[in-house]
Amino acid sequence: QVQLVESGGGVVQPGRSLRLSCAASGFTFSNFAVHWLRQAPGKGLEWAAVISFDGSEKYYADSVKGRFTISRDNSKNTLYLQMDSLRPEDTAVYYCASDALKYSGSYFDSWGQGTLVTVSS
Amino acid sequence: SYVLTQPPSVSVAPGQTANITCGGDNIERKSVHWYQQRPGQAPVLVVYDDRFRPSGIPERFSGSNSGNTATLIISRVEAGDEADYFCQVWDTSGDHRGVFGGGTKLTVL
Repeated sequence: QVQLVESGGGVVQPGRSLRLSCAASGFTFSNFAVHWLRQAPGKGLEWAAVISFDGSEKYYADSVKGRFTISRDNSKNTLYLQMDSLRPEDTAVYYCASDALKYSGSYFDSWGQGTLVTVSS
Repeated sequence: SYVLTQPPSVSVAPGQTANITCGGDNIERKSVHWYQQRPGQAPVLVVYDDRFRPSGIPERFSGSNSGNTATLIISRVEAGDEADYFCQVWDTSGDHRGVFGGGTKLTVL
């Protein structure tokens, strides 16, 4: 079955960087776009970024554009999110999710369990 | 940017039907997707492309989309359906982006 496992979360000071990873299995990772989404404590869902199946297209939410970078390594079935210049408002559970399409974007048909990022001094 | 509006809460008795709405400008022109999120868990897709169910989702879950309102319909509500529900569309009117409604807490009385 499809499995997505996030890692790399933790506590980080404002202005610092963090890199999240998402290991995929149970499906042909290289055939689908994949996303990062996040959910601040007690809040709703927020889409953050998407990368196409081959990495040729990337889109970002305004809230993370210029600070976060999404990438993928299809040889390792792994998705990444490089987060720079972190702010307290970036505190959230970060989820990776697979798309039903090769390019952006439709719906998020499988989700990982999430990894918590806390930005605090 | 495109905005989706959901009621914060909906309450329904067991065995009744819950209708959770999602409002957006001419939303009928978009494909609407719905997610269920139980406390402490990751979201789960329950309806995609307005009205289709992924495998493993009970037939009690269905959807509709017309005019400015999409609706998630949960028939014969059970206690286990108590959760937060989010609608979502993919917006390409400007940049490409995913858009969520604010979420609706379904309470089973």
